[in-house]
Amino acid sequence: QQQVKQSPQSLIVQKGGISIINCAYENTAFDYFPWYQQFPGKGPALLIAIRPDVSEKKEGRFTISFNKSAKQFSLHIMDSQPGDSATYFCATPQGGSEKLVFGKGTKLTVNP
Amino acid sequence: KAGVTQTPRYLIKTRGQQVTLSCSPISGHRSVSWYQQTPGQGLQFLFEYFSETQRNKGNFPGRFSGRQFSNSRSEMNVSTLELGDSALYLCASSLGRGGRTGELFFGEGSRLTVL
Repeated sequence: QQQVKQSPQSLIVQKGGISIINCAYENTAFDYFPWYQQFPGKGPALLIAIRPDVSEKKEGRFTISFNKSAKQFSLHIMDSQPGDSATYFCATPQGGSEKLVFGKGTKLTVNP
Repeated sequence: KAGVTQTPRYLIKTRGQQVTLSCSPISGHRSVSWYQQTPGQGLQFLFEYFSETQRNKGNFPGRFSGRQFSNSRSEMNVSTLELGDSALYLCASSLGRGGRTGELFFGEGSRLTVL
């Protein structure tokens, strides 16, 4: 089964700082690379996703960078806010199905 | 538009019992997937149903089973519960276009505690 390695496991950032979370995947072709955000007591929700034919996608303060040669993609949160405190998961789809393989998650804490 | 609804939200069972969890997907979504979330293993795929057929299955023992009804609602069942089955069980729905839509919509989960 496809593995996804996510780091760091936890991250503490001051308000206004930049949060960076990384994911590495194995050698398989995918249609997209999503990041999910999960708040306590809630299910994960899609935050942002990138297709493998682009190197970067930005939505507001959130940016995905994709490095195909290194088999890595990362999430950058600019001007981090306390409301961004949540657990973030990267994921890769399995073949042409709806199945997602998730990273182990990164618990982000943004201090005021 | 209503989101994914899971019932019950919380339940406590004892070892050896069985449990049935229910999921109502977003209207129009034909694919329903189930995931188990634990602190140690994270989010792990259980199975996916599309048009009442199991389309994909994860690496879980046969005690874990599911089904989907003609209205796309889904249930999952865990028999002979073990302590290690304590987890948050998440249901996710999607249009079911083979991963190209890019998004799963998750419910808030059913938290199962096995004593």
